[in-house]
Amino acid sequence: EAQVTQNPRYLITVTGKKLTVTCSQNMNHEYMSWYRQDPGLGLRQIYYSMNVEVTDKGDVPEGYKVSRKEKRNFPLILESPSPNQTSLYFCASKGGYGYTFGSGTRLTVV
Amino acid sequence: GQSLEQPSEVTAVEGAIVQINCTYQTSGFYGLSWYQQHDGGAPTFLSYNGLDGLEETGRFSSFLSRSDSYGYLLLQELQMKDSASYFCAVRSPLGSARQLTFGSGTQLTVLP
Repeated sequence: EAQVTQNPRYLITVTGKKLTVTCSQNMNHEYMSWYRQDPGLGLRQIYYSMNVEVTDKGDVPEGYKVSRKEKRNFPLILESPSPNQTSLYFCASKGGYGYTFGSGTRLTVV
Repeated sequence: GQSLEQPSEVTAVEGAIVQINCTYQTSGFYGLSWYQQHDGGAPTFLSYNGLDGLEETGRFSSFLSRSDSYGYLLLQELQMKDSASYFCAVRSPLGSARQLTFGSGTQLTVLP
């Protein structure tokens, strides 16, 4: 089954403790992206990647890092999480006109 | 920059037809997409309009007018399961800083 897999689904962490949210797709898509979703703000792009070793900032990149060492994986790294990064995060990959989203990671930073 | 406007809420009854409008202002435009999201779940792709006109997919249709920077999603024969949030999204040209910019979403409530 074609899918985007994110882990973990839920995460509660403390301020300043580094964390990584993993994202993997099995559709051989070149383009992948991370979004965060907050009430009333829709989905805002954090980072995107056009291909292996090619990444760029989206609308809200501050406090985040990404890497793209393999085509299928696109992890999101929070080096020093803060409470304002509490949000619902989605990874997506693009093939054709539509984006396929992962199931989301609900992150709470206390 | 890019901005999209869509109504925050729409309510309709089962079996009815509802239209969700989207207006956009963009520095580059490649097409307008629509996504459905149930209760914080994964957004799912519904439709894409790259050219002016109407695209139909079953009960859902989407329309685009590039000259008016306007599009809409039309849902016919509404069902309870159509209660969800609907997002319009502008696709910008390859190589620009953003590939897909989303509106804030429209919460559709379908009443029995």
